[in-house]
Amino acid sequence: QSALTQPRSVSGSPGQSVTISCTGTSSDVGGYNYVSWYQQHPGKAPKLMIYDVTRRPSGVPDRFSGSKSGNTASLTISGLQTEDEADYYCCSYAGTFNYVFGTGTKVTVL
Amino acid sequence: EVQLVESGGGLVQPGGSLRLSCAASAYNFGSYWMSWVRQAPGKGLEWVANIKQDGTEKYYVDSVKGRFTISRDNAKNSVYLHMNSVRAEDTAIYYCVSMKYGTATTLDSWGQGTLVTVSS
Repeated sequence: QSALTQPRSVSGSPGQSVTISCTGTSSDVGGYNYVSWYQQHPGKAPKLMIYDVTRRPSGVPDRFSGSKSGNTASLTISGLQTEDEADYYCCSYAGTFNYVFGTGTKVTVL
Repeated sequence: EVQLVESGGGLVQPGGSLRLSCAASAYNFGSYWMSWVRQAPGKGLEWVANIKQDGTEKYYVDSVKGRFTISRDNAKNSVYLHMNSVRAEDTAIYYCVSMKYGTATTLDSWGQGTLVTVSS
């Protein structure tokens, strides 16, 4: 499978909102409601932030939210904080127990 | 939440073999699908393989089919990745990941990763 398409970078000031898009096909993002999002700080392992398109694991701030329309999923960070500066990856189930990640987006807090 | 610790990474020559191990701390380890995900230096994440709770089903990304084998030992709360015929493009940090409890749709808890370098 081809990697899902994400913007290389997005930025915002503290308190603002940013949205990261994740575009796939009808064989992955558009075909299943199994999109997840991961936050990765430099030198650290990824951390699950959103799963099943919109669900938040316990402990993840409600500033993080997810959505999907057609073949594109989105992650929105509201009330941006300095600790949100990190790389973010989307991931979609692609059928037959296969998974495809996005290209990754660097979020910069100005 | 499952705690995961990988080991076994290191330097290996092209065409060589390596076995990665992942020790899990979870009283019901046998209820989780398990996966390996890799990240080449400075690059993005790539799902590599996963294995069903009882080990009867295994799935791989096309680029490692026929070269890598995932296995598990539920009695030892461990999952393994056997890497054969390694190539330079297999150089990456390899993460052991547990799927969300009872499902195979979400990569949930991640280990800290183990670095594999393929070079002569």
